[in-house]
Amino acid sequence: NAGVMQNPRHLVRRRGQEARLRCSPMKGHSHVYWYRQLPEEGLKFMVYLQKENIIDESGMPKERFSAEFPKEGPSILRIQQVVRGDSAAYFCASSGGGSSYEQYFGPGTRLTVT
Amino acid sequence: EDKVVQSPLSLVVHEGDTVTLNCSYEVTNFRSLLWYKQEKKAPTFLFMLTSSGIEKKSGRLSSILDKKELSSILNITATQTGDSAIYLCAVEEYNFNKFYFGSGTKLNVKP
Repeated sequence: NAGVMQNPRHLVRRRGQEARLRCSPMKGHSHVYWYRQLPEEGLKFMVYLQKENIIDESGMPKERFSAEFPKEGPSILRIQQVVRGDSAAYFCASSGGGSSYEQYFGPGTRLTVT
Repeated sequence: EDKVVQSPLSLVVHEGDTVTLNCSYEVTNFRSLLWYKQEKKAPTFLFMLTSSGIEKKSGRLSSILDKKELSSILNITATQTGDSAIYLCAVEEYNFNKFYFGSGTKLNVKP
């Protein structure tokens, strides 16, 4: 199955710890998007990356959140010093870019901050 | 302010009914509108619409875009319990392939 992979699927962190969420795009895709879905809300765009470049991070909170998509390996969404309000489902989507920009989503990582 | 608004927020119907879900948007450099179905997992892609007035169809689902009215509808005919899900509408801007999502319509199809 060459779909979008995310891990871990579930992540529990205590307040103040760091959370690292990983996303491996579909084979052949070089564009990655991260979204956050808070309870009872729709998906909110966070950041759009291509390999080694952040294209648009306008949806990222100014502090504690960062994202990268290195030349090799998965894209990482990093949340430092997590707080309860960070509890959410984080979805990653990938696309091929250019004329093939339909996004395909991963299964999501459910982050719970206790 | 919300750039993509979906209505209704939730809907309860019985099997066999036909439903129409609405999505309206306000985006400066519109590129496309996409519909997704979200069950207890990540959203799955349904349709992408770029041109006004051209209906896209897949089985019992169909969708059409009206660029003049800045809106789209998703129709589901002869609904089944398996259609129960949240239906998300997303609009893409040309700038940086940025997507805006609506809050979704939660559809519950009762047997």
